[in-house]
Amino acid sequence: GAGVSQTPSNKVTEKGKYVELRCDPISGHTALYWYRQSLGQGPEFLIYFQGTGAADDSGLPNDRFFAVRPEGSVSTLKIQRTERGDSAVYLCASSREGGGTGELFFGEGSRLTVL
Amino acid sequence: KQEVTQIPAALSVPEGENLVLNCSFTDSAIYNLQWFRQDPGKGLTSLLLIQSSQREQTSGRLNASLDKSSGRSTLYIAASQPGDSATYLCAVRNTDKLIFGTGTRLQVFP
Repeated sequence: GAGVSQTPSNKVTEKGKYVELRCDPISGHTALYWYRQSLGQGPEFLIYFQGTGAADDSGLPNDRFFAVRPEGSVSTLKIQRTERGDSAVYLCASSREGGGTGELFFGEGSRLTVL
Repeated sequence: KQEVTQIPAALSVPEGENLVLNCSFTDSAIYNLQWFRQDPGKGLTSLLLIQSSQREQTSGRLNASLDKSSGRSTLYIAASQPGDSATYLCAVRNTDKLIFGTGTRLQVFP
């Protein structure tokens, strides 16, 4: 596609439920990133994929969070047993290559609200 | 640990003014620095990317400079317009990920 696509754009769920957020990167981009943005803050890094593998997952806050990219394109961020503190905008970005020099392009984000 | 600070946190100016937004970072060993624009409820739009070997980049009315040794970047907006109203985020990369500041919220009024 022309840009990074994220679905759903909005998700409201109840505490304790399971949530999946999807990211479709720019075609041909090998690097994919997930970030989380709370109100009034800058985005915070969660996880980085190079191809199919998670090259850096140091930003995942705990083991309730997990992400996959099985075919090296679309990625899914999975959150188990959601808590109210998980409410935020989850942003996905892609880059033509990893390794530090590439420009990142972001999607519109998925706004998660946990009641 | 890399930390990024943006000053001012908010700015309100009349249309037509030239503006300077500041970004500072603690670890000067960066690959690059990227400036983004974020409209309310929207994602991030990349404005300018400056590689570590570069001193500045220009796009239209925007000019970004980078002084890696002092850990500073500035975003210069010429002849501001109401359509420039948004939050501007600075992000630096010295590993495989971008580290963001908290942004400058800009309002340009007619």
